[in-house]
Amino acid sequence: NAGVTQTPKFRVLKTGQSMTLLCAQDMNHEYMYWYRQDPGMGLRLIHYSVGEGTTAKGEVPDGYNVSRLKKQNFLLGLESAAPSQTSVYFCASSYRGPENTEAFFGQGTRLTVV
Amino acid sequence: QQPVQSPQAVILREGEDAVINCSSSKALYSVHWYRQKHGEAPVFLMILLKGGEQKGHEKISASFNEKKQQSSLYLTASQLSYSGTYFCGTDPYGSSNTGKLIFGQGTTLQVKP
Repeated sequence: NAGVTQTPKFRVLKTGQSMTLLCAQDMNHEYMYWYRQDPGMGLRLIHYSVGEGTTAKGEVPDGYNVSRLKKQNFLLGLESAAPSQTSVYFCASSYRGPENTEAFFGQGTRLTVV
Repeated sequence: QQPVQSPQAVILREGEDAVINCSSSKALYSVHWYRQKHGEAPVFLMILLKGGEQKGHEKISASFNEKKQQSSLYLTASQLSYSGTYFCGTDPYGSSNTGKLIFGQGTTLQVKP
């Protein structure tokens, strides 16, 4: 099993450009999450999904949109990239909710906005 | 809603013990612990459930005080492989579970020979 796969692994964007980060999991997990990681800030939740067709805002959702059209995929979009969105982005998934199941993480996407 | 971890950083010699604390301002149903090696993804260590059940597979232990809304991770007889950043994750809830998994800012642990 591949687990959680993120595409791309690295990307450089110019300010104002748009892009989509793809997260795919092959474990039939219901829950999926997008985080950003910045030095000293830990992992901050951007958006999450508790099932196919559902999405919800996390702690830092501004400037991002998400979609979960298929159970196995969770897309994170940046409509107009800003330098403040330079970060490492991690996707995670879990079989059920965090009340009783662990999360599995992808390898991350390093995004630089210049 | 982000849980607060302490200390922010720890330096140990091999064989020494360490305790990492995680405190939340919200009631908790469970607490997760993860470790992240430099340049890698976070990896699950264990989950502590309300009511005392603990699930995990590493030679590392933890406690969960529901009333105090706190958890502690205990690393005993540390090994070089324990080095990394440790995160606690929580699902803060009010009247029902939110489905969110919120992480603390992390504690960096360095184990020296």
